[in-house]
Amino acid sequence: EIVLTQSPATLSLSPGERATLSCRASQSVSSYLAWYQQRPGQAPRLLIYDAINRASGIPARFTGSGFGTDFTLTISSLEPEDFAVYYCQQRTNWLTFGGGTKVEIK
Amino acid sequence: QIQLQESGPGLVKPSQTLSLTCTVSGGSLISGAYYWSWIRQPPGKGLEWIGDIYDSGTISYNPALMSRVTISVDTSKTQFSLRLSSVTAADTAVYYCARDGGIASDYYYGIGVWGQGTTVTVSS
Repeated sequence: EIVLTQSPATLSLSPGERATLSCRASQSVSSYLAWYQQRPGQAPRLLIYDAINRASGIPARFTGSGFGTDFTLTISSLEPEDFAVYYCQQRTNWLTFGGGTKVEIK
Repeated sequence: QIQLQESGPGLVKPSQTLSLTCTVSGGSLISGAYYWSWIRQPPGKGLEWIGDIYDSGTISYNPALMSRVTISVDTSKTQFSLRLSSVTAADTAVYYCARDGGIASDYYYGIGVWGQGTTVTVSS
């Protein structure tokens, strides 16, 4: 099983600030990694697929990067609606999710 | 536009079997090479993959749940189903059905379609 470790668990930032979220895989997942946003009471929403590609309708302030075992989701300037929980997920070996990073208002 | 909707009992007694159905509208279970997945989220916790059925044929299960899980598909009814046996309080969660775009042309397309989720509580 491939374990995805997300850090930090919680990120306290103000609107307009830059958010940098990390996801590390226990073994290479190539580029087969996705990022999701989950707001309270809602289903997750696909943000980034194949490590670097924005899903349809996702604003340009969301950027994915990385390959192999180390991945990053960057939100360039936080909007009020971006305060949520973010998950990474891989599909190389079955399917696993990271534990999530909560982006909260400072 | 494809939509998914979970349905089933919201309360299940310990040791019994949890049964959920996902109805697909605006699309077909047999068109395209997708993974039709079940994912759950215990209260206040993260996401856990339960299993999926790929291209209406190949079925995969989370090894941690494999002994208790059955996923099946009814293409004529555009539904796929989840059965989880011998449930305990640890199986209390929001259960999502979802469509995973899978890997094609060396791209992983991610889980782009999710149901709204259904809450299942295991309690006597």
